Amino acid sequence: SQQGEEDPQALSIQEGENATMNCSYKTSINNLQWYRQNSGRGLVHLILIRSNEREKHSGRLRVTLDTSKKSSSLLITASRAADTASYFCATGQRNKLIFGTGTLLAVQP
Amino acid sequence: DAGVIQSPRHEVTEMGQEVTLRCKPISGHNSLFWYRQTMMRGLELLIYFNNNVPIDDSGMPEDRFSAKMPNASFSTLKIQPSEPRDSAVYFCASSLEFVLAGGPYNEQFFGPGTRLTVL
Repeated sequence: SQQGEEDPQALSIQEGENATMNCSYKTSINNLQWYRQNSGRGLVHLILIRSNEREKHSGRLRVTLDTSKKSSSLLITASRAADTASYFCATGQRNKLIFGTGTLLAVQP
Repeated sequence: DAGVIQSPRHEVTEMGQEVTLRCKPISGHNSLFWYRQTMMRGLELLIYFNNNVPIDDSGMPEDRFSAKMPNASFSTLKIQPSEPRDSAVYFCASSLEFVLAGGPYNEQFFGPGTRLTVL
């Protein structure tokens, strides 16, 4: 069964706005990763945050991790039409990545 | 760097036929993963190898599925016989990983996928 659950399932915003996606998980993890998938393509790694980290930045991406609440959020600032994609969180446990159900982000130009 | 290479990109076959999917991981990576993605079940890990050895195949749906990694630069996923419910996109991914308690520790690099349709 899926480990991570993303929220919302779908999000539509205007170019320039910020997009926030949330991920909840159920068991202890050693790290949490975010991936992007453009339609018809493979997944692309965005960022990895370890269980002892609370926040991490990469360009326009900001990820937070709250292990007490078993949740993470991905913030994309100043969104662009090219950010339109599905975003997945994945939790690392027992040498495997367990992917969530994904958030479909649509950025309107 | 060519990235993870998968072939074929599309495969259409009839029920009962054997299907073989191929993957070439990124050179230097020691872990290889096979995933299946469907609308209903999302992205599922089927099997993963570390240093060419299968570590966990608990995600392989049934005996019709088999995977091999004869060397560090090549892996196959075979379905025999194929069924319509096997229709999905199959992804191969590779990483530089260590099978230690508390892993995985690193990012995975995905191939473009093989879209399989079984009629």
